[in-house]
Amino acid sequence: QKEVEQNSGPLSVPEGAIASLNCTYSDRVSQSFFWYRQYSGKSPELIMSIYSNGDKEDGRFTAQLNKASQYVSLLIRDSQPSDSATYLCAKSGNTGKLIFGQGTTLQVKP
Amino acid sequence: DAGVIQSPRHEVTEMGQEVTLRCKPISGHDYLFWYRQTMMRGLELLIYFNNNVPIDDSGMPEDRFSAKMPNASFSTLKIQPSEPRDSAVYFCASSQVGNTEAFFGQGTRLTVV
Repeated sequence: QKEVEQNSGPLSVPEGAIASLNCTYSDRVSQSFFWYRQYSGKSPELIMSIYSNGDKEDGRFTAQLNKASQYVSLLIRDSQPSDSATYLCAKSGNTGKLIFGQGTTLQVKP
Repeated sequence: DAGVIQSPRHEVTEMGQEVTLRCKPISGHDYLFWYRQTMMRGLELLIYFNNNVPIDDSGMPEDRFSAKMPNASFSTLKIQPSEPRDSAVYFCASSQVGNTEAFFGQGTRLTVV
């Protein structure tokens, strides 16, 4: 079992819709969770970090964490074509080791 | 701060040659990570350092790969001898403390022919 699992997609949504990206992880000791966005040919850039159960909102982005279910998600409201990219989920534990999932490709169609 | 700086940006080499990738982390960051990204395997963690000390190198694919961090501002990833299957984008990232967000360099695209 991979440490971080994501559906590779592509996930296709129309412009203005809500995009929902999901991620599961394999352990109960990870403490920190991150969502990165990666455009084609570019390096990953941080969108959101979340450390405790519940929701965290930042503009059009909302991260949700459920440690009991080992599940973290990212919602993108009012999706724009510029949101089309690969979204990487990552986790980190008390050793500082940072592990990424395979990524989900999002396509927002005008 | 200029961010994480990697060099070279692109490297084309022949099979069997030695390749050295370089990374300068963000000043004051204690953690440094080396990743390899391919379409098939995604973003794989190769090795990471804390305060210049290698903590976990279990992701290094084989003995042909080695990494060093001689000081807080410089790290290298070396492949000797290189093989075509090593072709990938190699990223370096750094973070200030453990369990916090990491910042990535621009990556080195390695092609071994």
